[in-house]
Amino acid sequence: AQRVTQPEKLLSVFKGAPVELKCNYSYSGSPELFWYVQYSRQRLQLLLRHISRESIKGFTADLNKGETSFHLKKPFAQEEDSAMYYCALGTSGTYKYIFGTGTRLKVLA
Amino acid sequence: DVKVTQSSRYLVKRTGEKVFLECVQDMDHENMFWYRQDPGLGLRLIYFSYDVKMKEKGDIPEGYSVSREKKERFSLILESASTNQTSMYLCASSFSAHGAAWHFGPGTRLTVT
Repeated sequence: AQRVTQPEKLLSVFKGAPVELKCNYSYSGSPELFWYVQYSRQRLQLLLRHISRESIKGFTADLNKGETSFHLKKPFAQEEDSAMYYCALGTSGTYKYIFGTGTRLKVLA
Repeated sequence: DVKVTQSSRYLVKRTGEKVFLECVQDMDHENMFWYRQDPGLGLRLIYFSYDVKMKEKGDIPEGYSVSREKKERFSLILESASTNQTSMYLCASSFSAHGAAWHFGPGTRLTVT
């Protein structure tokens, strides 16, 4: 069965420290992977997607098919990065995505 | 910029009431989705629609129905609201293209008392 696992419900780091939000997926086909972010009192929005291989707000994520992972990384956390982060998996043959349970990132001053 | 709007930010209803949540998008997206968002459970798909009058059940459709009479509008209906339907409801839309970004509405926080 297709599944997305975000093992950490809460991740607290100090400002300036590196951040890694973990995402593992289960899918036998060719996945499409996304990170979505929800800042306080704002709507959920796309942060980045693996097909674009882009860096947004200093975040990057690399698809590792061998480890079935798509971890989100940032070398130096900022207080404004504090938010809820969701990893999402898209599978072929359908336009609906499977979301993980989310990780709340708190960046401490 | 894509705009997805939801009819209410906050709603308080009584048990047994029929509740309508509306979602409108202005980018001619084919796909529209209704999710509920609960702490620790993430986003769970209730229903989605890939065309006018077309709908498919998601993971938790029980107690809900939907309507899509026009491409831009997707309604979620709680036939007889119950307290366990107290939640944040999110609407989203997207084009029918793999890798297409989803665009979310601001959410409706529904409380059923």
